[in-house]
Amino acid sequence: EDKVVQSPLSLVVHEGDTVTLNCSYEVTNFRSLLWYKQEKKAPTFLFMLTSSGIEKKSGRLSSILDKKELFSILNITATQTGDSAVYLCAVWSILPKNSNSGYALNFGKGTSLLVTP
Amino acid sequence: NAGVMQNPRHLVRRRGQEARLRCSPVKGHSHVYWYRQLPEEGLKFMVYLQKENIIDESGMPKERFSAEFPKEGPSILRIQQVVRGDSAAYFCASSPRQVAGETQYFGPGTRLLVL
Repeated sequence: EDKVVQSPLSLVVHEGDTVTLNCSYEVTNFRSLLWYKQEKKAPTFLFMLTSSGIEKKSGRLSSILDKKELFSILNITATQTGDSAVYLCAVWSILPKNSNSGYALNFGKGTSLLVTP
Repeated sequence: NAGVMQNPRHLVRRRGQEARLRCSPVKGHSHVYWYRQLPEEGLKFMVYLQKENIIDESGMPKERFSAEFPKEGPSILRIQQVVRGDSAAYFCASSPRQVAGETQYFGPGTRLLVL
């Protein structure tokens, strides 16, 4: 069965710290891995990763994928209180085996990050 | 969030009542997914629909739950005879194509509370 595991489940840091969030996965027929940020509303898209070793950056956030070891990391440098959120990792998974239904996103449980002043 | 709309944002129902959750995808998106997020859990896939078709409902409980995406109007997730265990956040996502590797855009969710 496909699965996505995130660690740590929760994290508390001080403003200015750097954090690394982890996501490991086991999926049949990997297509891509996505990171989302979820505050008290809709998950908002951060990154989509399809190739190993290519870092994606957006401001203080960056992410990279290792398809050999089946994991991804999300880095946040110089954290701010506004970074406090749940960070979700998701991988496209094939819908039931022997089905031609296609794919849906398979999510990890998320990492809850709290950045304190 | 690229314009996915969901309503209501909050819904309170008593056990045994019906809940109707609506989702309007991004304009031009014909693929809609519903996910459920239970407390302390990640989002779980429920159902995938295209216009007038249920493509896959393998994540949806077989009883009391149904979904539709009519030719005109929003997608509807319907829960009949709600129970306390149905209390959760229900998110809708849309994409322009069913291609694994596409970004999905999420709505703000409907938070259902069953008393």
